[in-house]
Amino acid sequence: DIQMTQSPSTLSASVGDRVTITCRASQSISSWLAWYQHKPGKAPKLLIYKASSLQRGVPSRFSGSGSETEFTLTITSLQPDDFATYYCQQYNHFSSMYTFGQGTKLEIK
Amino acid sequence: EVQLLESGGGLVQPGGSLRLACAASGFSFSTYATSWVRQAPGKGLEWVAAISGAGGRTFYADSVKGRFIISRDNSKDMMYLQMDSLRVEDTAVYHCAKSIRPTVPQGEFDFWGQGTQVTVSS
Repeated sequence: DIQMTQSPSTLSASVGDRVTITCRASQSISSWLAWYQHKPGKAPKLLIYKASSLQRGVPSRFSGSGSETEFTLTITSLQPDDFATYYCQQYNHFSSMYTFGQGTKLEIK
Repeated sequence: EVQLLESGGGLVQPGGSLRLACAASGFSFSTYATSWVRQAPGKGLEWVAAISGAGGRTFYADSVKGRFIISRDNSKDMMYLQMDSLRVEDTAVYHCAKSIRPTVPQGEFDFWGQGTQVTVSS
């Protein structure tokens, strides 16, 4: 099975900061990686798909990069609405179906 | 506007059963695969089950295989999760999610519902 490992688990930052979250796959997943934002009591929201493609309607301060086993989500100029938990997810692999990382909670410093 | 609305959650004793439903609107339901994803208290997201757009293929996480059954009724734009032999560790908020593809496991989840709470406790 493919395991997804995110770091850090928690990240403290201030409005206006630039932050980066890392996601590592236990084996190559090509570019079949998505990033989601999740707030308590809300529906998760797709931010990035295919590792680096920005979902329609998502602000351009969000960006994704990487391939194979190493991926990053970068948020430039943090806004108050960005404080949430972020998950990476691999897909397109029958051996592991859909696997999420354990999440990164982005907190206000 | 795409909408996914879950229902059917509640409190059930260990060993009991529950049937969740997901009502979809705003898109051609039968064209896309759909999934159930859960979040246990204090934990992250966990994929539970998926079904192809036509409904012919189903897939399950090992943690629920043999106890849960996913199904869909494309004539009603509905997806279901029949949960039997429930365990305390099945306690979670259950979200339905729409894939961008008709087949599983291709495609990311572009729309999600807010979820329904399932609590398994004696």
